[in-house]
Amino acid sequence: GAGVSQSPRYKVAKRGQDVALRCDPISGHVSLFWYQQALGQGPEFLTYFQNEAQLDKSGLPSDRFFAERPEGSVSTLKIQRTQQEDSAVYLCASSPKGGAYEQYFGPGTRLTVT
Amino acid sequence: KQEVTQIPAALSVPEGENLVLNCSFTDSAIYNLQWFRQDPGKGLTSLLLIQSSQREQTSGRLNASLDKSSGRSTLYIAASQPGDSATYLCAVDNNNDMRFGAGTRLTVKP
Repeated sequence: GAGVSQSPRYKVAKRGQDVALRCDPISGHVSLFWYQQALGQGPEFLTYFQNEAQLDKSGLPSDRFFAERPEGSVSTLKIQRTQQEDSAVYLCASSPKGGAYEQYFGPGTRLTVT
Repeated sequence: KQEVTQIPAALSVPEGENLVLNCSFTDSAIYNLQWFRQDPGKGLTSLLLIQSSQREQTSGRLNASLDKSSGRSTLYIAASQPGDSATYLCAVDNNNDMRFGAGTRLTVKP
């Protein structure tokens, strides 16, 4: 069966550009998570959706970061006015239920801001 | 705030050795703990998930233990193989708030 997919896999943006990263979760999965992973570090939580509701956005580093999941399936993470410190791998994960269940990760989008 | 620490940061062993990776966390009020494998340039692959009420989980050559009261988990890999070379990440879940360690980078030499 299809796993979590993310697109694009690689994105190069000039400083100041806006970017949009897409996540397609496993079909039917209720929960969706976004993480940011800097080089040599573990992933850091950004935000969490249960269906279309964004229940936790405490990890978003600034108001330049915005995430949505309007129909409770596909999610988009948008970064406005990108800066060099935004360079990282952005990982998406989905889980079949709400609550603390096993998360299934996508391959990530590597964002490089020049 | 939950802090997750993994020791060692890197480990190199000859093929066939048994090895142990360590994970510690500061807040014992967790729902579960998950061990992941990450290959270079790839996403995370879940290896084992231990619910807070469990003490260990096994899958093939892998065994993970959890001591919630002391804030520790170990991942035991038996009879290591070159294909086991990867970064191993530990993550604790405080109900949809998952915190990761920085990982242990494992190299298994043929």
